[in-house]
Parts: sequence; structure tokens; C-alpha cells
Amino acid sequence: DAGITQSPRYKITETGRQVTLMCHQTWSHSYMFWYRQDLGHGLRLIYYSAAADITDKGEVPDGYVVSRSKTENFPLTLESATRSQTSVYFCAIKTSGTDTQYFGPGTRLTVL
Amino acid sequence: GQQLNQSPQSMFIQEGEDVSMNCTSSSIFNTWLWYKQDPGEGPVLLIALYKAGELTSNGRLTAQFGITRKDSFLNISASIPSDVGIYFCAGLVQGAQKLVFGQGTRLTINP
Repeated sequence: DAGITQSPRYKITETGRQVTLMCHQTWSHSYMFWYRQDLGHGLRLIYYSAAADITDKGEVPDGYVVSRSKTENFPLTLESATRSQTSVYFCAIKTSGTDTQYFGPGTRLTVL
Repeated sequence: GQQLNQSPQSMFIQEGEDVSMNCTSSSIFNTWLWYKQDPGEGPVLLIALYKAGELTSNGRLTAQFGITRKDSFLNISASIPSDVGIYFCAGLVQGAQKLVFGQGTRLTINP
């Protein structure tokens, strides 16, 4: 158990609405990551954070905003949701100095 | 950008058979990771490889870090029903924090 929780586990929203997905770790791992998983694309990195108040873009950051005011939380916000953002979103954590990432259970988001 | 080509995309086998899958890239990686994902769950780390030529086992699973550092292989021996799922390879370039993932291999087992 890597101590990662994601909430909500399932979310249905409408186009144009703001949605925030939460990732919480019970430990104090330095690195946190957000991925989306879509059929035919595998796992793609959206944003990541090396520490509190340090974030950087991944492969597909457009349409998403992140923040990390506390080490244990890494929220992902869709400021104006679009249908193309319907996906399964995974949070992952990693300790500085190691390479292995551990994943949360995922949030399935549907944008109507 | 870096890409990983994972094959096969899907496999349909009989229980008890051995399974082989691989990932290749045009880029050199310093770390290879293999994950398994069950339906409705997040990927779970199976094996981590850190050195070219390294061969590592985890129960019935064996993975190898290719000598060229551009490929990796995963073998599952004597498959059982709980091996069903999607297997992903992931590579990490030295000094980078971002994993590059393969497209996954979906394993289906006929009892």
C-alpha cells in the first residue's frame, strides 16, 4: 500500500464546468504526478511536482491547472471541462533519489 | 519525444502457458519498470530494472534490461487466471523525472 488516495473515484460533469480531482498521500514523498489514461494512448503525463510549490508541465498539460501548497496534496483542476477530457486520471508518487512511481486507484471522469 | 513500442498489443493464451512481451525504443533508458493493471485499478509495480543486462525475477515473472539499454522483456511462466490484465513497460532517462510508458499488452487467459 503506497498510501495514495484519490477523490472522487467517479465524477460526471458537464462541458464548461470546473472540476477538481484530489490526490492525497499519507507519507511525504517529494514527487507527485498526474496522468491520464485513454484507449490507444496509454498513460500520458499531465503535470508533476517535485516539492511543495514546485510544479512542471508534462506531455499533455493544456486545459489543466495544478497546485501544491502542501506536500501531501496535489489537486488537478479542469477550469472549463471539455468532452475530450473524459478519461481515467491517475495520481502517482515517487521518493526523491528513486525511480519507481506508485499509483493511486484512479478517478474516472466523464464530461457530458 | 521518446516513445516506447510495446508488443504484442494483446495476447490470448491457455492457462499454464508461458507469456513473453517486450518493449523497444530508439532512445537509451537508465531504468526500466514493468507494471500490471487490473480492471478499475491503478498500475501496480511488478519489477524494476536498473542495469543493462540485468535479469530480475518476482515469483513467476522474469524481466530483463536489454544490453543495448533500448529494450526490455517480461516473461510470465505457467500462467494462471489472476495474471489477466494489462501489462505496461515504462522507461526513465538518466536525470529525468518523467516516465515514458508503452501502450500496454492486454493478457487474456482461457481456462
